[in-house]
Amino acid sequence: NIVLTQSPATLSVTPGESVSLSCRASQSISTSIHWYQQKSNESPRLLIKYASQSISGIPSRFSGSGSGTDFTLSINRVESEDFSIYYCQQSYSSLLTFGSGTKLEIK
Amino acid sequence: EVQLVESGGGLVQPGRSLKLSCAASGFTFSNYYMAWVRQAPKKGLEWVATISTSGSRTYYPDSVKGRFTISRDNAKSSLYLQMNSLKSEDTATYYCARPMMVHSPFDYWGQGVMVTVSS
Repeated sequence: NIVLTQSPATLSVTPGESVSLSCRASQSISTSIHWYQQKSNESPRLLIKYASQSISGIPSRFSGSGSGTDFTLSINRVESEDFSIYYCQQSYSSLLTFGSGTKLEIK
Repeated sequence: EVQLVESGGGLVQPGRSLKLSCAASGFTFSNYYMAWVRQAPKKGLEWVATISTSGSRTYYPDSVKGRFTISRDNAKSSLYLQMNSLKSEDTATYYCARPMMVHSPFDYWGQGVMVTVSS
């Protein structure tokens, strides 16, 4: 199975700061990585697909990059509504896996 | 508007069975692969099963293979998850999700249904 390692586990920031969240795959997965946001007591929401492709309706401050084994979700100037948990997920293998998540919290 | 509505959750004893349903609307159900994803309390997301458009191909992780069965009824735009030999570690919120293909992201999710396995 492909293991996805997200770091850091928790990120404490002040609104207005820009942040980068990391997701590392245990083997090369091309750009088959997707990012989700999950707010408390809500279902996950797709933010970025295939490493860097934007999703309709998602604010432009969210962007993704990377290929191979190292991927990054960037949030430009974090807003109060962005404090939640972020997960990466790979679809390179038909045995799908998620990372353990990064919690973005208010400093 | 795409809608995925799960039902069938509840409290069940270890070793027993439960069947979840997901009613889909707002898109051509038969054109899309479908999947189940679960989340144990205070834990991360875990993929549980995927089914092809016709239902001829199914995919499972080792944690549920042989115990869970995903199926669909395209005429009813419905997805199912039959869960047998349930264990306490199967306690989770189960989400119905739409991936289009097996190697696609999940672009729509249901609101989730809670399954508690306990004596």
